[in-house]
Amino acid sequence: DGGITQSPKYLFRKEGQNVTLSCEQNLNHDAMYWYRQDPGQGLRLIYYSQIVNDFQKGDIAEGYSVSREKKESFPLTVTSAQKNPTAFYLCASSIDGGQGHGYTFGSGTRLTVV
Amino acid sequence: AQKVTQAQTEISVVEKEDVTLDCVYETRDTTYYLFWYKQPPSGELVFLIRRNSFDEQNEISGRYSWNFQKSTSSFNFTITASQVVDSAVYFCALDQTGANNLFFGTGTRLTVIP
Repeated sequence: DGGITQSPKYLFRKEGQNVTLSCEQNLNHDAMYWYRQDPGQGLRLIYYSQIVNDFQKGDIAEGYSVSREKKESFPLTVTSAQKNPTAFYLCASSIDGGQGHGYTFGSGTRLTVV
Repeated sequence: AQKVTQAQTEISVVEKEDVTLDCVYETRDTTYYLFWYKQPPSGELVFLIRRNSFDEQNEISGRYSWNFQKSTSSFNFTITASQVVDSAVYFCALDQTGANNLFFGTGTRLTVIP
């Protein structure tokens, strides 16, 4: 079945560490996205990528980095510069990136700073 | 500017009651798309419906129905004869052509009490 796989489901980070969240899709979608979800704040866009080797900052990109070396993969690195990284992270993909077909979401990674 | 408002933070109903979740949006575009997603406790966002700005027909799918009114910029979602499995957080979202971002409301947490 086609879909988006996020791993790990739970992740714990120590202060000052960088961690990388994995997102893989087999839907052949061009566009991929990373969202952050905090209680009571809905989803906020971190980064998005419309094609391989290209990505753009979203609304809350500070303290995060991404790469898009393959169409199927869009990993997110939470760096030590992100002061409040504890949140639920959702990866999504879209066949057309903004033409109204909507997004398919992964099951998320819950990141906790310990 | 674009904005999605879900004024109801939490709703509790007794099983078999009908419930309506409100969504009000703001956009300057004439072409846009509206979505509803369901987020069960597992965390994944599940697509429920997509509606484009030129189609104001109401839609019914089983126990679910949607009322789209451009005159009031609203896209409300009604669950008839609610069931415990309907308990989840529901998000309304706006997709503007070329925006490369789904703008989400803050979500409504629905609890259906058996």
